[in-house]
Amino acid sequence: EVRLVESGGGLVQPGRSLRLTCTVSGFTLGDYAMSWVRQAPGKGLEWVAFIRVKAYGGTREYAASVKGRFTVSRDDSKNTAYLQMNSLKTEDTAVYYCSRDHNNVLTDWGQGTLVTVSS
Amino acid sequence: DIQMTQSPSSVSASVGDRVTITCRASQGISSSLAWYQQKPGKAPDLLIYAASTLQSGVPSRFSGSGSGTGFTLTIDSLQPEDFATYYCQQGNSFPRTFGQGTKVEIK
Repeated sequence: EVRLVESGGGLVQPGRSLRLTCTVSGFTLGDYAMSWVRQAPGKGLEWVAFIRVKAYGGTREYAASVKGRFTVSRDDSKNTAYLQMNSLKTEDTAVYYCSRDHNNVLTDWGQGTLVTVSS
Repeated sequence: DIQMTQSPSSVSASVGDRVTITCRASQGISSSLAWYQQKPGKAPDLLIYAASTLQSGVPSRFSGSGSGTGFTLTIDSLQPEDFATYYCQQGNSFPRTFGQGTKVEIK
């Protein structure tokens, strides 16, 4: 069974940092690209970040709204992906989902972790 | 960036109805389009990819069509468990973009 579990969310002050973790099971992380998607309270889905597999250089893509502040990474040996979020803003408040990204499709999703940015 | 526009933003329907949701891309995306279903408090689930291919385990009352800039999701004979919000998403280029969502509500 494919499973993705996010963790690391919580309440954080504006300007501070937070790192989200996505631990996967049921498939080999190293064989797949990964994406992060967020959803602000009561709003729609917003794609945030993407990381390719090592065979394609492990290169990354970002939404303009987070570029320069967020960094996606992966540790295939630990079956874990990460989203490092720096210089957080109140508008970053959302549920953050990690997703297996296969052939440009988000095939499997975690349950999400809530990040609240507030003073 | 490619803009994805869904219509309608909400639809009221009864069990057994046929529902059609439209998604339009601001530029051609070939068939690189997926549809997701999201229920309140839950993560989205993949329904359809490559515009018309049903994800494994998804009931056959769901179907997708289109290519280029115009796409549709059709639900034949709406069931109680289908009341949810539906999103389209283009995978043709970065940044990946979603439609704003269509909420299917009980009439």
